[in-house]
Amino acid sequence: GAVVSQHPSRVICKSGTSVKIECRSLDFQATTMFWYRQFPKQSLMLMATSNEGSKATYEQGVEKDKFLINHASLTLSTLTVTSAHPEDSSFYICSANRAGNTIYFGEGSWLTVV
Amino acid sequence: GQSLEQPSEVTAVEGAIVQINCTYQTSGFYGLSWYQQHDGGAPTFLSYNALDGLEETGRFSSFLSRSDSYGYLLLQELQMKDSASYFCAVRDPRAAGNKLTFGGGTRVLVKP
Repeated sequence: GAVVSQHPSRVICKSGTSVKIECRSLDFQATTMFWYRQFPKQSLMLMATSNEGSKATYEQGVEKDKFLINHASLTLSTLTVTSAHPEDSSFYICSANRAGNTIYFGEGSWLTVV
Repeated sequence: GQSLEQPSEVTAVEGAIVQINCTYQTSGFYGLSWYQQHDGGAPTFLSYNALDGLEETGRFSSFLSRSDSYGYLLLQELQMKDSASYFCAVRDPRAAGNKLTFGGGTRVLVKP
């Protein structure tokens, strides 16, 4: 079964609204999680590193005020897309690593902004 | 920074062998990973090479040459279900956890 769970798997929202995506590690603690964005037929681009108990680290070019990341517990990180616009429509996916070097990805979340 | 290059697309027939090359430029190196992603799905881990040589896992094998900053994924006895995108990735040794940088992905299309 899934080791890292993402929710929702698909969401449609109106322009200007905000939407929250959750990423949970199901049976392990993850002090660090990563958020990626993937446009159709393109690669996964790292958006930010989510750090439990501290601020997220954003990649160059990613607006931290637009993509709010909260990692309030060792098993949950959330990504909130604020004031969403159609160009934010994308596949968002998180990852976490269990003890050692094993990386697990969530199932991904399709965001469509209309 | 980190950058990885791989071909954008490969087409082959069932039963054939496909090799996907990946060249990388990194400021540090913790090994080369390969992931498979079907359309609409999440990436799934295929293999990891930290040392030079060939790693075999069933029909899939992965090779690494650190001196050449080069690796490849070999898909043997291709099946229709192998139609997917394949990504090479490296881990950033400066970052906590497992921060991955992905190549652009190679779309493999398997034809009957």
